[in-house]
Amino acid sequence: ETGVTQTPRHLVMGMTNKKSLKCEQHLGHNAMYWYKQSAKKPLELMFVYSLEERVENNSVPSRFSPECPNSSHLFLHLHTLQPEDSALYLCASSHRGRNTEAFFGQGTRLTVV
Amino acid sequence: AQSVAQPEDQVNVAEGNPLTVKCTYSVSGNPYLFWYVQYPNRGLQFLLKYITGDNLVKGSYGFEAEFNKSQTSFHLKKPSALVSDSALYFCAVPAGTALIFGKGTTLSVSS
Repeated sequence: ETGVTQTPRHLVMGMTNKKSLKCEQHLGHNAMYWYKQSAKKPLELMFVYSLEERVENNSVPSRFSPECPNSSHLFLHLHTLQPEDSALYLCASSHRGRNTEAFFGQGTRLTVV
Repeated sequence: AQSVAQPEDQVNVAEGNPLTVKCTYSVSGNPYLFWYVQYPNRGLQFLLKYITGDNLVKGSYGFEAEFNKSQTSFHLKKPSALVSDSALYFCAVPAGTALIFGKGTTLSVSS
């Protein structure tokens, strides 16, 4: 266990559904991240929250909507997804700073049907 | 722009042999470099990092990495590979407020 917990571990949803991914960290970190990992593609940074404020949004479609209500929790709200959005979604947290390592959750395997 | 490159998609070694997984970097300023490992259907696990100081960095599970400024490389090494080391390995560098990762190298250790 890394101290970062993601739920659910697996999710199958239709293209018209609305669902949310949850991430919780118990490490006292002040930055949290969403990454997308697709087969045969590099890890893609989606969103960055630092001190609960979104500081990066890397051209992610609006059908993905992040929320960071406090420094321990991060959500990714999903709606009207496409099959190509099927991937492993990874949450991570860290202390702010360029020389600090990030700790990852185990990911949510999302399948859009 | 900060970036890392992993030139090999796959590395195959026999158990007990030394292993090397390659990473080169392109950064402005002082380089901070990281290695992570990912086992199937799991998140990434931190192995080690280079911040400053000794060019040889020791990390988890017997891994180490050698920082080479002249070659802009940060190769991951282990003197004696185990079958259980078979996994996907990523090097990473900070860009802005987050880490960005190389494409990953699959390490396969045969018994």
